[in-house]
Amino acid sequence: AQKITQTQPGMFVQEKEAVTLDCTYDTSDPSYGLFWYKQPSSGEMIFLIYQGSYDQQNATEGRYSLNFQKARKSANLVISASQLGDSAMYFCAIALYAGGTSYGKLTFGQGTILTVHP
Amino acid sequence: DAGVIQSPRHEVTEMGQEVTLRCKPISGHDYLFWYRQTMMRGLELLIYFNNNVPIDDSGMPEDRFSAKMPNASFSTLKIQPSEPRDSAVYFCASSFQEISTDTQYFGPGTRLTVL
Repeated sequence: AQKITQTQPGMFVQEKEAVTLDCTYDTSDPSYGLFWYKQPSSGEMIFLIYQGSYDQQNATEGRYSLNFQKARKSANLVISASQLGDSAMYFCAIALYAGGTSYGKLTFGQGTILTVHP
Repeated sequence: DAGVIQSPRHEVTEMGQEVTLRCKPISGHDYLFWYRQTMMRGLELLIYFNNNVPIDDSGMPEDRFSAKMPNASFSTLKIQPSEPRDSAVYFCASSFQEISTDTQYFGPGTRLTVL
């Protein structure tokens, strides 16, 4: 079974600075996808970024980038130029490849609460 | 598009009562997922459907939980009888594929409190 570990229950960052949220994973399957979601205080889950296990380059989406280190089984989320609106809970998740561009069900980590200070 | 719609947004009930949570996925999405979020267990997938058919219900905690999808635009998650340990936020999500590289869209959630 897959497992995600997020070791940082909470993180603090100054506005406009960069912050890294840690995520390590465990799976014996060679084909998988790694996902990051944001959950603001309003409760909804917002997809941020995805990385496939065979992708050669780290994924980037605007101010979000995923620092993928396959040998170390880590998929850290980097947020550049933090904004007050980035304050939220962040979840890392893994899913096994199921064919095409599809993956099986997501397994989530426990989450990291990010607080951005002005 | 209105996004994934869930109702009610909040539900407070007494132990032993039946609870029904409702979800309307995004039109055209073939997959529908039910998740539960608690402080202790985090976010867990309970069950998901493809074209109205349950594909994986291994996350359903016990027989008290049941989910149905009678048509492409509606799903229910029922708890009967409810217990205090069922208190959680229940999310519904939908997508074009099981989990696509694009995204999986979540509803706003239903906060359930069982007294």
